[in-house]
Amino acid sequence: ETGVTQTPRHLVMGMTNKKSLKCEQHLGHNAMYWYKQSAKKPLELMFVYNFKEQTENNSVPSRFSPECPNSSHLFLHLHTLQPEDSALYLCASSQGQGNTNTEAFFGQGTRLTVV
Amino acid sequence: DAKTTQPPSMDCAEGRAANLPCNHSTISGNEYVYWYRQIHSQGPQYIIHGLKNNETNEMASLIITEDRKSSTLILPHATLRDTAVYYCIVRPNNNDMRFGAGTRLTVKP
Repeated sequence: ETGVTQTPRHLVMGMTNKKSLKCEQHLGHNAMYWYKQSAKKPLELMFVYNFKEQTENNSVPSRFSPECPNSSHLFLHLHTLQPEDSALYLCASSQGQGNTNTEAFFGQGTRLTVV
Repeated sequence: DAKTTQPPSMDCAEGRAANLPCNHSTISGNEYVYWYRQIHSQGPQYIIHGLKNNETNEMASLIITEDRKSSTLILPHATLRDTAVYYCIVRPNNNDMRFGAGTRLTVKP
């Protein structure tokens, strides 16, 4: 148990569906992250939020839409995805930007399958 | 651009020390070295981090060379449950952690 909770753990969705992934942390952290891990590939950083403001968007397609309503919650809204978007989506949190002497904690991920 | 280089795979006998190397020759003076591991299809797990000095915790030891261009993660008594992908990460000031391919460690009985 890392203190970062992701729901759902597994999700199967059609290409025309709209779904959302949820991440929640109660560690008092101010930075939250979305990563994507495709099969047999390294983790790819998608989005970074620092104090609820988006500070990083690594050229992620617009069919992925993040939302950070407060420092404890992070969402990833999904719509019109493609089969190649099937992957493990991981959320992480850490102290605010600039605090590099503290570790980040990861959730267990959401295994997404697009059919 | 992960800024680190690690061997793609390593084997280790159960009960022996596992020494995982990492090169980070372009590291800046205020960047920390972090190690994480990922057991199949789970979220990455924090292991240890350091700046200049060697560090030890209940999981592992981190040895950083004096010029800080490389480091070694040591698991003193590897068990089968230590089989995982181990990631060495240099963490920049903007806090963003970018992962490379890591080292797949296989602990064998």
